[in-house]
Amino acid sequence: DTGVSQNPRHKITKRGQNVTFRCDPISEHNRLYWYRQTLGQGPEFLTYFQNEAQLEKSRLLSDRFSAERPKGSFSTLEIQRTEQGDSAMYLCASSGTGGAPADTQYFGPGTRLTVL
Amino acid sequence: RKEVEQDPGPFNVPEGATVAFNCTYSNSASQSFFWYRQDCRKEPKLLMSVYSSGNEDGRFTAQLNRASQYISLLIRDSKLSDSATYLCVVRGGGSYIPTFGRGTSLIVHP
Repeated sequence: DTGVSQNPRHKITKRGQNVTFRCDPISEHNRLYWYRQTLGQGPEFLTYFQNEAQLEKSRLLSDRFSAERPKGSFSTLEIQRTEQGDSAMYLCASSGTGGAPADTQYFGPGTRLTVL
Repeated sequence: RKEVEQDPGPFNVPEGATVAFNCTYSNSASQSFFWYRQDCRKEPKLLMSVYSSGNEDGRFTAQLNRASQYISLLIRDSKLSDSATYLCVVRGGGSYIPTFGRGTSLIVHP
């Protein structure tokens, strides 16, 4: 399967614990995005990488959230001291460069986080 | 005003019906427009890009109206399998960051 993959698919944690999610983009894509989605809402942008550089972060990304893409391939999203409000689906997407359709985003299956 | 607005629905239509969704956007510098489909508890999947001249893919037609700042999606001859949430996506000039609408829910019934 050459699509975007995410691990784990589901994560249940207790409030206050740290969690880390991984995203493996489509291999030839150099752009990688993280989103958060809650029920009844569209995906909300969290952060964006071009290769290993984190170029943009949303105001939604509090200091408890950190993302890395150390070698410009896979990325990790860490949430420290989780809160119940962090419960959501965390989606990763990747795209190429250039105009349409190269810059079309393809999404992974998401990681569903439940904070108890 | 939200950057991208959609009627959440649900739109409840019988099989074979024609249904249309609109999506308005606030950034007049927006340059790229897309419709994504999202099934329950699944990831969004690209349905179609929206070009200035409009485009059609089988039963689906997308159009862009820059003057009024909206895009539309028309589905003809609805199938049960079209039941899903349709997300409008807009990307502004100079930014690679797309903005998603909250989605419009479509339910096609027998």
